[in-house]
Amino acid sequence: LAKTTQPISMDSYEGQEVNITCSHNNIATNDYITWYQQFPSQGPRFIIQGYKTKVTNEVASLFIPADRKSSTLSLPRVSLSDTAVYYCLVGDEVNFNKFYFGSGTKLNVKP
Amino acid sequence: DTEVTQTPKHLVMGMTNKKSLKCEQHMGHRAMYWYKQKAKKPPELMFVYSYEKLSINESVPSRFSPECPNSSLLNLHLHALQPEDSALYLCASSQDPSAVWEQYFGPGTRLTVT
Repeated sequence: LAKTTQPISMDSYEGQEVNITCSHNNIATNDYITWYQQFPSQGPRFIIQGYKTKVTNEVASLFIPADRKSSTLSLPRVSLSDTAVYYCLVGDEVNFNKFYFGSGTKLNVKP
Repeated sequence: DTEVTQTPKHLVMGMTNKKSLKCEQHMGHRAMYWYKQKAKKPPELMFVYSYEKLSINESVPSRFSPECPNSSLLNLHLHALQPEDSALYLCASSQDPSAVWEQYFGPGTRLTVT
């Protein structure tokens, strides 16, 4: 299992771009990188998934360098409503029983 | 409909009570999950159902008993719980077991054991 390491918390201001980095040094060849967002007292919500290079959707971008030992979730122009915990997960569909959330990063967006 | 619903939203029960948590999805998903989440901690996987059959039990104490009556419903039966079992219980579903990485979560049931 690829262990993930994220910063415990980050602060930002409205309108800024936020980049949250996740380290996964022992990522396996078949592993994908997935990010979830969780607001207080709600279930997590799938944000984005990628394997290599860059993935972008309407919510975020995911940057993965060539060695895949880390990944960066980029949130453009954050607002107060982006205050949440962001989890990075690494694994493949074969080992679905190993769907473990890491400790997550608490993002605080200030006005 | 991309919603997973959970009832009740809140539950307070004594250590001798028997209660059940309910989860429902109508997305045609064939994998369903139960998680437990303590305050300021990440969700912890408890059970996985694949095609209505229990496929994963993450060494959960027998006082938690899952049940999957059909492909849309998932229950968690609770009996003789301890105060340390107080937590947010989350249900999730995915299209099938191989789509585990894109799960849809419900809002959770906030359980307090007194």
